[in-house]
Amino acid sequence: GAVVSQHPSRVICKSGTSVKIECRSLDFQATTMFWYRQFPKQSLMLMATSNEGSKATYEQGVEKDKFLINHASLTLSTLTVTSAHPEDSSFYICSATGRSEKLFFGSGTQLSVL
Amino acid sequence: AQSVAQPEDQVNVAEGNPLTVKCTYSVSGNPYLFWYVQYPNRGLQFLLKYITGDNLVKGSYGFEAEFNKSQTSFHLKKPSALVSDSALYFCAVKEAAGNKLTFGGGTRVLVKP
Repeated sequence: GAVVSQHPSRVICKSGTSVKIECRSLDFQATTMFWYRQFPKQSLMLMATSNEGSKATYEQGVEKDKFLINHASLTLSTLTVTSAHPEDSSFYICSATGRSEKLFFGSGTQLSVL
Repeated sequence: AQSVAQPEDQVNVAEGNPLTVKCTYSVSGNPYLFWYVQYPNRGLQFLLKYITGDNLVKGSYGFEAEFNKSQTSFHLKKPSALVSDSALYFCAVKEAAGNKLTFGGGTRVLVKP
């Protein structure tokens, strides 16, 4: 089946630094990719939707300048958390969809900002 | 706006007993409904989906779900739960015409030996 690779799986960084998370579709062309954030004991929150070659669409309340999303190719989307702060610590998950209705998820990235 | 409700934060069940995880939804138009499972320290895994056709959908790991249009529900079921089914389960919905997937709050399932 289709696979979405997300890395790193875990990252610890200092406050004020930027962190990049990659999401790759390994065996299909991902026309649309989604980025979610999950707080402990809470549901997934959609942060943004990105279509290949165009700007991402951010959900209300998500800072565009803080969470930079790039979807430059049909197999790669990146989420960069700029100037990370402890409140950005969370579990981030990407997902991708192509021609089928199925949505494939990455394994997630646990971000801890000290 | 579309929404999903999972009324139970946690479901406890003894191994071998039937398992049910409840989900109700609200969406304009025809719904596409999904169930996902999240094991500790791992990403989401797809279990099953309803797009059209038979209201009873069978998925991975022996799970099934029944689409009930009149009750706007899509409850997840398994006839005989295993300890390894202990995980966090998410119900999700999207409009047939759209891409945006809305998740429920999740239900933690604990299967005791």
